[in-house]
Amino acid sequence: EAGVAQSPRYKIIEKRQSVAFWCNPISGHATLYWYQQILGQGPKLLIQFQNNGVVDDSQLPKDRFSAERLKGVDSTLKIQPAKLEDSAVYLCASSLEIAGSYEQYFGPGTRLTVT
Amino acid sequence: QQQVKQSPQSLIVQKGGISIINCAYENTAFDYFPWYQQFPGKGPALLIAIRPDVSEKKEGRFTISFNKSAKQFSLHIMDSQPGDSATYFCAALNDYKLSFGAGTTVTVRA
Repeated sequence: EAGVAQSPRYKIIEKRQSVAFWCNPISGHATLYWYQQILGQGPKLLIQFQNNGVVDDSQLPKDRFSAERLKGVDSTLKIQPAKLEDSAVYLCASSLEIAGSYEQYFGPGTRLTVT
Repeated sequence: QQQVKQSPQSLIVQKGGISIINCAYENTAFDYFPWYQQFPGKGPALLIAIRPDVSEKKEGRFTISFNKSAKQFSLHIMDSQPGDSATYFCAALNDYKLSFGAGTTVTVRA
């Protein structure tokens, strides 16, 4: 079974530029998560989707971050405009269903550097 | 605020030794406590998990001990191997959302 796919793996941008990350979850997984992992810290949940609906986005900085999962499969996370403090690894994860949220499957992440 | 506090930040153990990582929480609404293992350049992967009505769970060389009254839980890695060198995160689940600890980097010396 293929795992969670993410692209790009690395991205370097200047502050105030925009960037987008893509995630393809494990086939059949209804729940999708985006996390931000700052160096030396644990992952922090940004947004959680159940199919194509948002379950929780309370920690998403909505003035600059946006995410969508239009067809209930792939998802994109966008930052516009980026700030220096957005430098982090952005992880996408999926679980079979929301009731199985303790068992999440993570992708390799996208390492973002904002200069 | 950090909902799950994890210690130590890092530890070094000799091959064959025991690694112990501790976590504490305050929110009694947490209803599942998984541990994730992360290798450099990879995403975290579920290692072992426990429910709060169980005091201990063992899977191979990995054991979770859970103390509900103290609101603490720990991971024990027995007979540590160089391949266990990774960052370990404790986590807690509430309302289908995971809160992660800050992580412990374990280095196993051959």
